[in-house]
Amino acid sequence: GDSVTQMEGPVTLSEEAFLTINCTYTATGYPSLFWYVQYPGEGLQLLLKATKADDKGSNKGFEATYRKETTSFHLEKGSVQVSDSAVYFCALSGGAGNNRKLIWGLGTSLAVNP
Amino acid sequence: GAVVSQHPSRVICKSGTSVKIECRSLDFQATTMFWYRQFPKKSLMLMATSNEGSKATYEQGVEKDKFLINHASLTLSTLTVTSAHPEDSSFYICSARGVLAGVSGELFFGEGSRLTVL
Repeated sequence: GDSVTQMEGPVTLSEEAFLTINCTYTATGYPSLFWYVQYPGEGLQLLLKATKADDKGSNKGFEATYRKETTSFHLEKGSVQVSDSAVYFCALSGGAGNNRKLIWGLGTSLAVNP
Repeated sequence: GAVVSQHPSRVICKSGTSVKIECRSLDFQATTMFWYRQFPKKSLMLMATSNEGSKATYEQGVEKDKFLINHASLTLSTLTVTSAHPEDSSFYICSARGVLAGVSGELFFGEGSRLTVL
């Protein structure tokens, strides 16, 4: 079945460091890919998404490119801030129709130190 | 973005009692709502998918008689944990997809409800 594999955390970086969080997937068909973020004490929210191969999703300085050839959707940011400290989840949409559901990675905790 | 509200955010109950958690889409109509359970340092586990006006579809291993889901309107879904036990203690999260959402329709998440069963 469909699955998402995400690099294990926690990841600890200094402010202004470069961030990469790896995400690879297995899926039938052509899923959409997502990164969600959960800030401390808050609910999940969509960070960015890509719906087809070679699409690049971007938001708040974060980017991820849908790579079908490597089945990857790695999250990157050139210069992280303390406020980026959160748990990041990679997900893909599986299934069909109205019951299309998200398949989740385990989440990667990021801590950015000043 | 769209707002999904969950209530209560925290609930503590005695073993054997039932607890109801509400999930409301405040500014859009949600044809589909999803209920997840999140364990510490674990990913989200999808429990069930509910479509307005029909029975929920439960994931394998989730007891439908224990976790009752009602999606009576386009803006409200409820999860009732019946005869709760300490092992049901967890963080429950709902999400909703709008009527007009496309194939890759964004899910909007509630804030989550922390259930502690004593």
